[in-house]
Amino acid sequence: DTEVTQTPKHLVMGMTNKKSLKCEQHMGHRAMYWYKQKAKKPPELMFVYSYEKLSINESVPSRFSPECPNSSLLNLHLHALQPEDSALYLCASSQGGAYNSPLHFGNGTRLTVT
Amino acid sequence: GQNIDQPTEMTATEGAIVQINCTYQTSGFNGLFWYQQHAGEAPTFLSYNVLDGLEEKGRFSSFLSRSKGYSYLLLKELQMKDSASYLCAVSGGATNKLIFGTGTLLAVQP
Repeated sequence: DTEVTQTPKHLVMGMTNKKSLKCEQHMGHRAMYWYKQKAKKPPELMFVYSYEKLSINESVPSRFSPECPNSSLLNLHLHALQPEDSALYLCASSQGGAYNSPLHFGNGTRLTVT
Repeated sequence: GQNIDQPTEMTATEGAIVQINCTYQTSGFNGLFWYQQHAGEAPTFLSYNVLDGLEEKGRFSSFLSRSKGYSYLLLKELQMKDSASYLCAVSGGATNKLIFGTGTLLAVQP
């Protein structure tokens, strides 16, 4: 069982839809991350939140909008996505910084954009 | 920039030993991680190296040489359940940025 919970597990959306991905952890971790993973590729870093503040944005298009309402929750708001945005979106958390703390991943949301 | 390379695929036999290599070039270095990812599942943490040398954890060991920008993951007494993708990830600089390598898909055969 993963200690990082992501919902929904699967999501199909049209290019004009607005949807949100949700992530929750109750391990007291202070850093949270969004990664995007395409099939047979490694995870690609999108955003990092440290102590509820956005610390890294890897030049992600504005159609992806992250939000960290509190230390346990992380959202990813989606709007006007493209078919090439279809991928597995992974949330992760770590106790300290990613430079010396292992990441704990959720099982991901498999997103299909039609 | 950062560049992390691993072999794309490897095949090994049940009960054998396999070594998965990772070479990296990064601007700054704070540590190297190995993760295992089974198909359709989330990556799970295997090991962390920050100093040169070998770290052993049960059937899995990980080695690091910072001067050579090189690491390997050693899996002993291979089991069928070890068939998975193995991801090398490097953290560079005093940031929360962890970058993953290309991943190695290991197939364990009977």
